[in-house]
Amino acid sequence: AQRVTQPEKLLSVFKGAPVELKCNYSYSGSPELFWYVQYSRQRLQLLLRHISRESIKGFTADLNKGETSFHLKKPFAQEEDSAMYYCALLRNAGNMLTFGGGTRLMVKP
Amino acid sequence: NAGVTQTPKFRILKIGQSMTLQCTQDMNHNYMYWYRQDPGMGLKLIYYSVGAGITDKGEVPNGYNVSRSTTEDFPLRLELAAPSQTSVYFCASSYSNGHDGYTFGSGTRLTVV
Repeated sequence: AQRVTQPEKLLSVFKGAPVELKCNYSYSGSPELFWYVQYSRQRLQLLLRHISRESIKGFTADLNKGETSFHLKKPFAQEEDSAMYYCALLRNAGNMLTFGGGTRLMVKP
Repeated sequence: NAGVTQTPKFRILKIGQSMTLQCTQDMNHNYMYWYRQDPGMGLKLIYYSVGAGITDKGEVPNGYNVSRSTTEDFPLRLELAAPSQTSVYFCASSYSNGHDGYTFGSGTRLTVV
């Protein structure tokens, strides 16, 4: 069965500090992974996809199949990065996203 | 362009009551989904649909029903509300089978007392 684990429920950093939000997955097939973000009083929105290999708002994430991880990183956190972040795995059979429990990022001034 | 619209935004139900959560999208997406979000638990898939007339169960379908009579609408029905159904409900849609990401609605906060 597929599973997505985000071990940290809360991550608090100071502005300008590096950020790493951890995501580990288990899946027997070829994984397709995403990061979604939910800012305060806003709806959940796509942040980035591993297949795009893109950087969005300074965030990057690399799929490490050996460690079954997809950690989200940013070298210098900004206060506006404060939000709830969800890692998600797309399961090809059934076209469903499986979400992790989420990590709340707080960036302090 | 409204995207995914959910109504109502908030609702309090008594145990045993029924209600329908509405979800409409105007992007001509074939795929639609209902998730519930419990604190600290992430999002759990309730039901999904790959097109009009086709629905299937997700991880936590018990106590819910759905229908998909049109491409645009995907209502979620609670027949006999229970306290365990207190949650935030999100509807989402995607054009392809999720490879381009989902578009989410703003959510419905439901409390069953």
